[in-house]
Amino acid sequence: EAGVAQSPRYKIIEKRQSVAFWCNPISGHATLYWYQQILGQGPKLLIQFQNNGVVDDSQLPKDRFSAERLKGVDSTLKIQPAKLEDSAVYLCASSYRRDSLYYGYTFGSGTRLTVV
Amino acid sequence: DQQVKQNSPSLSVQEGRISILNCDYTNSMFDYFLWYKKYPAEGPTFLISISSIKDKNEDGRFTVFLNKSAKHLSLHIVPSQPGDSAVYFCAAKSGQGGSEKLVFGKGTKLTVNP
Repeated sequence: EAGVAQSPRYKIIEKRQSVAFWCNPISGHATLYWYQQILGQGPKLLIQFQNNGVVDDSQLPKDRFSAERLKGVDSTLKIQPAKLEDSAVYLCASSYRRDSLYYGYTFGSGTRLTVV
Repeated sequence: DQQVKQNSPSLSVQEGRISILNCDYTNSMFDYFLWYKKYPAEGPTFLISISSIKDKNEDGRFTVFLNKSAKHLSLHIVPSQPGDSAVYFCAAKSGQGGSEKLVFGKGTKLTVNP
């Protein structure tokens, strides 16, 4: 089966600009996650979708970050305006059902964002 | 406040020897633990997991041990191979029924020397 697709792979923007990332999960995977991984740290959950509904967005900086999952398939994560501290790798992951978490879910390769 | 701690940023071992990666946690509500492996420019991939009701889980060369009283788990790789060189993340799950959440450690970079 095809993996989790993310684009772009790399993005460099100036602070205060806006940026969007795209994720296409594995076909049939109902649960989708966006993680932020800052250099030298572990991934941190930003938002979790179950189909097209938000399950957890408690760690999403909602003043500048937004995410949507249209029709319960693809998802986009947007940052507007970007700050220097948003420089990180943004990882998308998906899983078939919630309890497949127990076997780990599948991550995409990530988008590396650099804010200058 | 870090709930999952990997105190060794890096580890270097010889090919064929045992690699032991350690992880400590503080939240007693964690009920499942996972190890992920990450190569450069790739996303993390699931490696092995263990339920909090067990103390050991084995999968080929990989074994995870859980000591609940010490809030400590470890990943053993025997024998280590150069292809095992990667960053290893420990993760812990809390919550159930739709509110599950994974918390990751900062990772340990393993280098296996030929």
